[in-house]
Amino acid sequence: AQRVTQPEKLLSVFKGAPVELKCNYSYSGSPELFWYVQYSRQRLQLLLRHISRESIKGFTADLNKGETSFHLKKPFAQEEDSAMYYCALEAAGNKLTFGGGTRVLVKP
Amino acid sequence: NAGVTQTPKFQVLKTGQSMTLQCAQDMNHEYMSWYRQDPGMGLRLIHYSVGAGITDQGEVPNGYNVSRSTTEDFPLRLLSAAPSQTSVYFCASSPRTGAGYTFGSGTRLTVV
Repeated sequence: AQRVTQPEKLLSVFKGAPVELKCNYSYSGSPELFWYVQYSRQRLQLLLRHISRESIKGFTADLNKGETSFHLKKPFAQEEDSAMYYCALEAAGNKLTFGGGTRVLVKP
Repeated sequence: NAGVTQTPKFQVLKTGQSMTLQCAQDMNHEYMSWYRQDPGMGLRLIHYSVGAGITDQGEVPNGYNVSRSTTEDFPLRLLSAAPSQTSVYFCASSPRTGAGYTFGSGTRLTVV
């Protein structure tokens, strides 16, 4: 069975500081990994897919299969980045499993 | 495209009542899923479907039923509501593995 762990429930950073959200996974197959973001009282939105290796809103994430990690990073946090972030793993059979989420608070 | 549409947005039920949460998507996506979101627990998969006529259980299926008679619709039925089912429910759809899921705006359910 697959599992996604986000060890930090809350990250508080100042505007302009770097931010890194940790995500570790366990899965015996080859995973598809994602980051989703949920702004206050809004629906979840797809932020990043590991397969596309893209940068969205200044965020990047690298899949490290050796460490089974998919950490999300941004070099300079903005106040509008304050939100709930979820790491997710899509396994065979298209089951999408989420981590517990990390709340990011960017202070002015 | 409306995307993924969930109705109702809010609902209050009494313990023991039944109801159906509606989910429809107009993107011709094969994969659809239902999640519940509870504070501190992230999103947990209730049921999912890889195509019309095919459904399977997720992590927390007890107390819920689903069916997928068409590609567009994936209703979630609560058989006999319990206070433990108070939660926010999200429906999501995806066209294929690796594409990512599109989420609906959610249904906030309170069972008293």
